Amino acid sequence: QVQLQESGPGLVKPSETLSLTCTVSGGSIKNFYWTWIRQPPGKGLEWIGHIYYSGSTDYNPSLKSRVTISIDTSKNQFSLNLNSVTAADTAVYYCARDRWYWGHWGQGILVTVSS
Amino acid sequence: DIQMTQSPSSLSASVGDRVTITCRASQSINNYLNWYQQKPGKAPKLLMFAASSLQGGVPSRFSGSGSGTDFTLTISSLQPEDFATYYCQQSYSTPPWTFGQGTKVEIK
Repeated sequence: QVQLQESGPGLVKPSETLSLTCTVSGGSIKNFYWTWIRQPPGKGLEWIGHIYYSGSTDYNPSLKSRVTISIDTSKNQFSLNLNSVTAADTAVYYCARDRWYWGHWGQGILVTVSS
Repeated sequence: DIQMTQSPSSLSASVGDRVTITCRASQSINNYLNWYQQKPGKAPKLLMFAASSLQGGVPSRFSGSGSGTDFTLTISSLQPEDFATYYCQQSYSTPPWTFGQGTKVEIK
């Protein structure tokens, strides 16, 4: 059974870069799409973007200028970088598998943007 | 972007009740509509995909219907473990994929 686990700093300063990694275990990262989704505290879900194992990406236009998703197939990991963060980027960040809908999720990681 | 609107935003119901949640898309999305259940502090759980296909392991009291712009998620007999927030999500054509704002199902 595939498992996903987010990791990274839980606190990021305003204007800096949020960097998270999702480690995939129990299955190969190849031949799938891998997705990032976030949820501000007490609010709804927002699709950030996804990456295919080959490296092709799609991003939410609302974040496109600030976001980069990358993949390392040798480590079975993919990553999220979000630059120039503000308090509005405070959220639980989830990684998930697949392109159109998501049956496999990480547990989520709370990232707070604060000085 | 395609806007997804759920109704109601919250509801109170009793164990054994039949519960229906509605999701409306701002344009036709054929049947590219998925439903999730989220409990506090947990990741969302996929319930239904392609409007009416039950994800493996999900109880058969959950059902989905609809096509085009109007969709429903029905719980035929609400169980204690079903109290949660439910989200619809569209995956029509090209990204960005978008979610409804959520429907919180509470105990009456």
